[in-house]
Amino acid sequence: KAGVTQTPRYLIKTRGQQVTLSCSPISGHRSVSWYQQTPGQGLQFLFEYFSETQRNKGNFPGRFSGRQFSNSRSEMNVSTLELGDSALYLCASRTLPLNEQFFGPGTRLTVL
Amino acid sequence: AQSVTQLDSQVPVFEEAPVELRCNYSSSVSVYLFWYVQYPNQGLQLLLKYLSGSTLVKGINGFEAEFNKSQTSFHLRKPSVHISDTAEYFCAVNQAGTALIFGKGTTLSVSS
Repeated sequence: KAGVTQTPRYLIKTRGQQVTLSCSPISGHRSVSWYQQTPGQGLQFLFEYFSETQRNKGNFPGRFSGRQFSNSRSEMNVSTLELGDSALYLCASRTLPLNEQFFGPGTRLTVL
Repeated sequence: AQSVTQLDSQVPVFEEAPVELRCNYSSSVSVYLFWYVQYPNQGLQLLLKYLSGSTLVKGINGFEAEFNKSQTSFHLRKPSVHISDTAEYFCAVNQAGTALIFGKGTTLSVSS
């Protein structure tokens, strides 16, 4: 099976812009989670989608949003980018109720 | 609430030496425990997991971990490391169906 794929791998934006990141889960996995990784805060959970519905949400401002499509692909959007949004954004998929999450390679977002 | 503490931020070791990366967790309920590895510019790869059963868990690449409920620990060990084991290692915890909570990570540096 193909693994979790994320596009694009690298992205450079300026403050105030918005960005959309994409994640395609492993075939058959209906749950997709998003995590933010920064040197200061480490790995933090953003949100999880299952069957097009958000089932868990982390402690991030409303500028961070996501959605999931009927084919389980997911997108996350960050509006009004801030310098502190520079991070590696990781997507993970799993097949519930199993707990093992499989991670993609991440999207490196740099905000200038 | 759950939390994870990785006791060492950096662990330098010589090739072929044994290594232990320490992880303690805090939770008032039963949890599942994981160790992930991250190589530079890559996503997270699952090394091993403890869901239930035997407290000694064997994973990939010769790593193993022991779940100690009384000490709330889940230390990762390898009897003989290789240069290629140089990476960042993350301990994580969750309950069934919830998001992963990660420790801050331990950088393992293996030199010859």
